[in-house]
Order: sequence, then C-alpha cells, then structure tokens
Amino acid sequence: KAGVTQTPRYLIKTRGQQVTLSCSPISGHRSVSWYQQTPGQGLQFLFEYFSETQRNKGNFPGRFSGRQFSNSRSEMNVSTLELGDSALYLCASSAVGETQYFGPGTRLLVL
Amino acid sequence: QQQVKQSPQSLIVQKGGISIINCAYENTAFDYFPWYQQFPGKGPALLIAIRPDVSEKKEGRFTISFNKSAKQFSLHIMDSQPGDSATYFCVPTGNQFYFGTGTSLTVIP
Repeated sequence: KAGVTQTPRYLIKTRGQQVTLSCSPISGHRSVSWYQQTPGQGLQFLFEYFSETQRNKGNFPGRFSGRQFSNSRSEMNVSTLELGDSALYLCASSAVGETQYFGPGTRLLVL
Repeated sequence: QQQVKQSPQSLIVQKGGISIINCAYENTAFDYFPWYQQFPGKGPALLIAIRPDVSEKKEGRFTISFNKSAKQFSLHIMDSQPGDSATYFCVPTGNQFYFGTGTSLTVIP
C-alpha cells in the first residue's frame, strides 16, 4: 500500500495570506489527523476527521480549519497567516484504534 | 485535564546504557499503547506497541512494560546507540488518542 502523502512539501507565504494543505491517507484508513510541530511547542494536535466528520479538536484558534472528503482525503486551511504559524504540519491516517501512519509533512514558512 | 504525562522531557545516555521513558495516562478506555520515534525533519513512526492483555513486549533492543492497574507504560531501550537519538512519544489510543509531550533522547558515543 502507498503511504500517507502530503502536498505541497514546502510552502512560503506572507502574513495575512491563507493556505490549504492536502493529505491523502493510506487506502482503507478513514481517520485522518493533523498536527503542528514547532521547535518551541513540540507536536500539537490540531484535529481529527473520521468519515467526513470532525471527531476531535485541539486547542487552536478558528483560523485553523479542516475537512475530509468522501474518499477520506483531507485538507487543512489556515487563514490570515501569522509568523507563528511557521511549522511542520503533519498528517496521519489510521484505522480506528490502530497505529497512526504519518506523512512526510508540509513545511510552512510565513514571512 | 491532562490525559497523558510523559517523562522525562529529555534524557542523555551513554552508548551501551539503558534508556527508560515513562508514560502515565488517565483514560481506562485506552486499549492500544504505542511508542513512536521521530527523527529531525521526519514524521513520527511506530516503534513498538502493546495491547493490555500482556504486561511486556520485546522487539530487539526495545521493550514495552505495561502496568494496567497503575495506568502506566514505559519504553526501555537496551544497549542504547547513537542512532537511537530521537524524540519518543507515547500515544495511548482507544476511540481517541493522546500524544505524550515527547522525550528527547541523546545517546553519547
């Protein structure tokens, strides 16, 4: 099976812009989770989607949103970008209650 | 309420030594207890995992010890090597999952 793929791998944006990141899970996995990782804050959970519904949400402002499509692919959107949003954004897919498999991440730089 | 407490935050071990990382959880509904390993610039990857029907699982130099009554599980790395230098996360899992805060392990040659 192909692994989790994320696009794009690298992205440079300026403050105030918005960005959309994409994640394609492993075939058959219906749960997709998003994480933000920074040197200062470590790995932080953003949200989890299962069968097109947000099932769990971390403590991030409403500028961070996501959605999941019927084929389990997921997108994450960040609006009104701030410098502090510069991070590695990781997507992980899993079967329920099983191992999460992570993608390579999207590295976002906000200037 | 903090669901998962991982300790220590960082760990420095001499080559050949034993590294021990601990994880305490609150939710008794968790039924899958994995440890993930992450190298810089990479996503976390499953290292080893255990189900609550056993108290210990060993894979090579890596062992999970599980104490259901104490709601704790730990990762032991025997004969630690410089290549083990990474960040380790416990992720107790059920219908939901919670990432531990991570432990940065440095193995000194």
